[in-house]
Order: sequence, then structure tokens, then C-alpha cells
Amino acid sequence: GAVVSQHPSRVICKSGTSVKIECRSLDFQATTMFWYRQFPKQSLMLMATSNEGSKATYEQGVEKDKFLINHASLTLSTLTVTSAHPEDSSFYICSALTDSLGDQPQHFGDGTRLSIL
Amino acid sequence: QQQVKQSPQSLIVQKGGISIINCAYENTAFDYFPWYQQFPGKGPALLIAIRPDVSEKKEGRFTISFNKSAKQFSLHIMDSQPGDSATYFCASQERNTGFQKLVFGTGTRLLVSP
Repeated sequence: GAVVSQHPSRVICKSGTSVKIECRSLDFQATTMFWYRQFPKQSLMLMATSNEGSKATYEQGVEKDKFLINHASLTLSTLTVTSAHPEDSSFYICSALTDSLGDQPQHFGDGTRLSIL
Repeated sequence: QQQVKQSPQSLIVQKGGISIINCAYENTAFDYFPWYQQFPGKGPALLIAIRPDVSEKKEGRFTISFNKSAKQFSLHIMDSQPGDSATYFCASQERNTGFQKLVFGTGTRLLVSP
């Protein structure tokens, strides 16, 4: 159980294109979803936290107008990289949490490799 | 104070040996300490986690040792296998305050040689 699916797994597009990445919790309802960015051989960097039905909370230094997050339902959150440029190329990973308190861990998706030409 | 320091950066262990990865934290409000395993091109997967009310937790070949006074915790992989070759991240979290952000360590690339 507790499967998180990300789509697409890989995307290659031209500079200036907007790219949408989906994160779905397949067998549970996710009250909170997180979006991370990971550069090669580096750790995961939290970009933002999203709660269903409310605005996302962005980490310091992350442009909210550049990285649009929508958490419209308890099973789906989307990250849109607007007007993507080569420096936005990275591995984007989402995770989902079943409840705010208690011992349930974050469940991670398999990531989306974004390459901007 | 939100940092989690992880060492070593990389580790080579022979098959059958013990792999040991260490982490240290500063924030005494952290109360949940998971370890994640990540294979290339995949997302992290929870391996094992511990709360600060116990000093050790064992699941199969994986053991977490926790030293609350030193603010350190470590992952031990017994009888390491080539299939264990991956990047391992420790993390810390303030669960009791409802603060759900995971603070990740810098990662350790483990290579288990056949």
C-alpha cells in the first residue's frame, strides 16, 4: 500500500515551455504533499508544501510564480514549471503524507527527470 | 539549527561486511529519525525509522542506533549485499509539533563490492 505515482517520469522540452508534473496518491488520501528538487549527487531540497484546498507554502528562495503548485484533491497535486529554462533542469520528486500527526511516514514518488534544452 | 550532518559521503564495503553511516543533528525538537534508500533514477524509499524514546531499532539486516544525549544516530547494514548499493539519506522531523518537513542529510553513496 501507500503508493505515490508521478507522471511523466521524464520530459525533455525547449526553453520557454511550461511543464506540468502530476503527483498522485493511488491507494490513500494525502492531506499533505511535498515537492522536492534534487540535483545530481545531491540531497533532496524541499521546494514547497501543499495542503488540499489551500495555497502551497514555499521554502525560502523558491519562486512561487515560477513553480506553480495546485493540490485540488486529496489524491492529486501538480507542479507546473512555467517558462522553463536550462537551469530548471533537475529531478523533481513529490511525496505524500496520509495524516498530519502520528507515525505515518512520507511516501515518495519515483521522480520526474526534467531536461530543458 | 535545522541541519543534519551525514558522513561519510561515500563508502565501499565488501560483500558480507557491515556498512555504517552516521548522522548528527542540532535541533532538540526533532523527534522522528527515518533513513531512506534511493536507487539511481528513483525516489527515496523508507528503510527504517526510530523515535528518540528507544536507543536501537532493528529490522532484518538494518539497525538504527540512536544516542539522544550526543544528538547522533547511525544506520548499520549487516551482511551487506551488492543489491544494497544505493544512496542512503538520513532525515529528521519534528512530529509532535505537527511540523511535517523532513530535514535530509547530504547522503551517502554506498557501493558493496561482490
